[in-house]
Amino acid sequence: DSGVTQTPKHLITATGQRVTLRCSPRSGDLSVYWYQQSLDQGLQFLIQYYNGEERAKGNILERFSAQQFPDLHSELNLSSLELGDSALYFCASSVAALGSTDTQYFGPGTRLTVL
Amino acid sequence: AQSVSQHNHHVILSEAASLELGCNYSYGGTVNLFWYVQYPGQHLQLLLKYFSGDPLVKGIKGFEAEFIKSKFSFNLRKPSVQWSDTAEYFCAAVNNNDMRFGAGTRLTVKP
Repeated sequence: DSGVTQTPKHLITATGQRVTLRCSPRSGDLSVYWYQQSLDQGLQFLIQYYNGEERAKGNILERFSAQQFPDLHSELNLSSLELGDSALYFCASSVAALGSTDTQYFGPGTRLTVL
Repeated sequence: AQSVSQHNHHVILSEAASLELGCNYSYGGTVNLFWYVQYPGQHLQLLLKYFSGDPLVKGIKGFEAEFIKSKFSFNLRKPSVQWSDTAEYFCAAVNNNDMRFGAGTRLTVKP
């Protein structure tokens, strides 16, 4: 158990819908990262927040957005869902920001299925 | 575009065989390098990381990796694999807040 929690574990929805994935970092970690893992795209870094502020952006689509709240939990919002958005979405946390020597600890992921 | 390449998609070994998984990156400048492992049904875990200093990095579970700057490589090695090493292995690189993963290598170790 990494100490990072993600809810829900599984999510099944239809095309065109909007969903919200939630992540709670390890106690004391200020950074939250979001990743997408799919069969065709592999593992991709989406976005990072550090202490409530966006710090780094990867291959995140315009239809996706994220935020980190004052209690440091983060939410990833996926809208206008397409079949290709079906994937495993991981969250990770670390004490400091990307580029530091800190280790990222990964959560168990949310499996999103878009029908 | 910056990228990370893993040459082997699927490697099958017998127990006690030696392992080397290739990883190359295309970043210039300072780069931080990682190897992650994903055991079946589990989340990603860090095996080892390189930021600076000794280019030979030792990680958990007997794994090590060597950073060769001239070859833009960070290959993962283990002298003797076990059945429990069956997993997917991902190489990753970070440069200026840009993080990329390789496509992953699936390792199957036969008992």
